[in-house]
Amino acid sequence: GAVVSQHPSRVICKSGTSVKIECRSLDFQATTMFWYRQFPKQSLMLMATSNEGSKATYEQGVEKDKFLINHASLTLSTLTVTSAHPEDSSFYICSALRGERGNTIYFGEGSWLTVV
Amino acid sequence: GENVEQHPSTLSVQEGDSAVIKCTYSDSASNYFPWYKQELGKGSQLIIDIRSNVGEKKDQRIAVTLNKTAKHFSLHITETQPEDSAVYFCAARKHSGGGADGLTFGKGTHLIIQP
Repeated sequence: GAVVSQHPSRVICKSGTSVKIECRSLDFQATTMFWYRQFPKQSLMLMATSNEGSKATYEQGVEKDKFLINHASLTLSTLTVTSAHPEDSSFYICSALRGERGNTIYFGEGSWLTVV
Repeated sequence: GENVEQHPSTLSVQEGDSAVIKCTYSDSASNYFPWYKQELGKGSQLIIDIRSNVGEKKDQRIAVTLNKTAKHFSLHITETQPEDSAVYFCAARKHSGGGADGLTFGKGTHLIIQP
């Protein structure tokens, strides 16, 4: 079964509002989680690395004030898309690093965000 | 930074035949190479991975080979079945001393299994 759970799987929000996506590691502690976005027919693009208890590390070109990441516990990281615009509509996927199994990374199921 | 190239972008094979997807990477410090399978609109599923201290790994119909010198790794699927139809992504990562870097992905290969 899934070891990383992502919620919600689908969300529709109005332009200008904020939406939060949760990523949970279900049966292991993850000090490091990653957030990706994927546009249709394109590859996964890393947005940021989320570290428990410290600030996230953002990839070049990703606005940290727009995509707020909070990794407050060893099993939960959240991505908040603030002041959402239609161009933020995308498929967002998180992953978590499982250290005790040779640093294997497991992905969540993904979240479809549609901004109208 | 790391750059991962993946070929082909689309691969169509007859059911029962083998499929091979190839990736190259640029950063010789990369030491972990997973392969993910993604069905339409779903999250990516880890199907197999290989670390830089191993040249080949096999799991039933799926195998991965790694050539560190040439910096390329390949996914091999034998006796393909209709449920193998999906988009496959290769990725590369290096583990830095202070933590873990995120994966760098290839652009994906759409594998189509013809009945």
